[in-house]
Order: sequence, then structure tokens, then C-alpha cells
Amino acid sequence: DTGVSQNPRHKITKRGQNVTFRCDPISEHNRLYWYRQTLGQGPEFLTYFQNEAQLEKSRLLSDRFSAERPKGSFSTLEIQRTEQGDSAMYLCASSLDAGETQYFGPGTRLLVL
Amino acid sequence: AQSVTQLDSHVSVSEGTPVLLRCNYSSSYSPSLFWYVQHPNKGLQLLLKYTSAATLVKGINGFEAEFKKSETSFHLTKPSAHMSDAAEYFCVVTTWGDSSYKLIFGSGTRLLVRP
Repeated sequence: DTGVSQNPRHKITKRGQNVTFRCDPISEHNRLYWYRQTLGQGPEFLTYFQNEAQLEKSRLLSDRFSAERPKGSFSTLEIQRTEQGDSAMYLCASSLDAGETQYFGPGTRLLVL
Repeated sequence: AQSVTQLDSHVSVSEGTPVLLRCNYSSSYSPSLFWYVQHPNKGLQLLLKYTSAATLVKGINGFEAEFKKSETSFHLTKPSAHMSDAAEYFCVVTTWGDSSYKLIFGSGTRLLVRP
């Protein structure tokens, strides 16, 4: 399968713990996006990368959130000191370049107890 | 600022009957508009996209959408629903004026198909 992959698919954690998610984009895709989807809502933009550079962060991304794409390939999204409000589906998408179609991974579903 | 409004949170149709999912958009610039579908436990899949070429856009699985600037609408249609069409559908906008090309999603329409 050469699509976007995300790991883990599911994560249950206790409030206050740190979690890290990984996204592997389609090979050769320069752009990588993170979105968050809460129950009953459409996905909301969090941040994006052009190669290894993080170019924009949404106001949704508090100081507890950090994302990296160190070599311009896979990306990680870390949430520190998780809160119950962080419970959501975290989606990753990649595109060949700016303005090209974004292809989504299956998402990581986070539940904070 | 750009946004999309999906006018129905749920739509229920019988198998074999037409499907209409409604979407209105707001954009300061020439919009690019998309419809994505989300099946349970699967990733979002692009159905079709409009990028200022033909106003009637054909997508996968028999879906199509018509861009109507005067009505600021981009409704999704299909002549005959199939059971496999049951899913969540998202109308999405982005603009060429924003170099991020981030996607702005509507709140979704859940399509139910009755046998």
C-alpha cells in the first residue's frame, strides 16, 4: 500500500501523559498537513510542512502541541500533558506540492481518560 | 475568510433513488472546492474537485457536482444511490490566494441509504 499511513491507529491515555503520533506520507510528497476531527464535526487544520519547514500553525495548536518533520519525510505530532479535550481523531494528509490534491491517512484516534 | 456550510446534517434516501447533498461556500477569492467522503474506519477519500475549469465536475462512483457562482453553491448529486454510498460527506474549500492551501471543511452530511 503506497498511501498515507499513520501510527498508532488508536491510543488511550490518562490525563497528563504525553503522546506521540507518526505520519508517513506518500513518497515524494513535499507537503504534509495535520488536521484534527472531533466527534460530529469536520476536520480542522492544525499545521503544515513544506519539506522539513513548518510554515503555519493554527491557533488550535496550543503550546502543548509540537510537530516535526525532521528530514522532510515522516512527521510526528506530540501532545504534552494531555487533557480530556484533546480526545479526537488526528488526521494526516500529504500532497505532491502546493495546491495539489491532499491524500489522507486513516487517522489516529486519541482518547484521554 | 473562506467557509462552507453543509445545509443538511443527515440525508436519507432509498437505494436506487437520486442523491442530493447541499453545500454553500463563502470565499473572497476564486475558490477551489472539493467533496470528500469518509467511510467508517477509513480515511477521507476525494470524490471530486472544482478548480475554475468546467462548472460541472464529474467524480468517482457516479457522483458529480455543479459550481454555481451566482448561488455560491456546490451541491453533490448522484442519479441512483447504492448501499455502498452510505458514509459521511464533507464539502471543502481552499483558495489560491492562501499559500498554505489548507482545507476548510464543512460539518459533514451523513448519507443513509435504505434498502
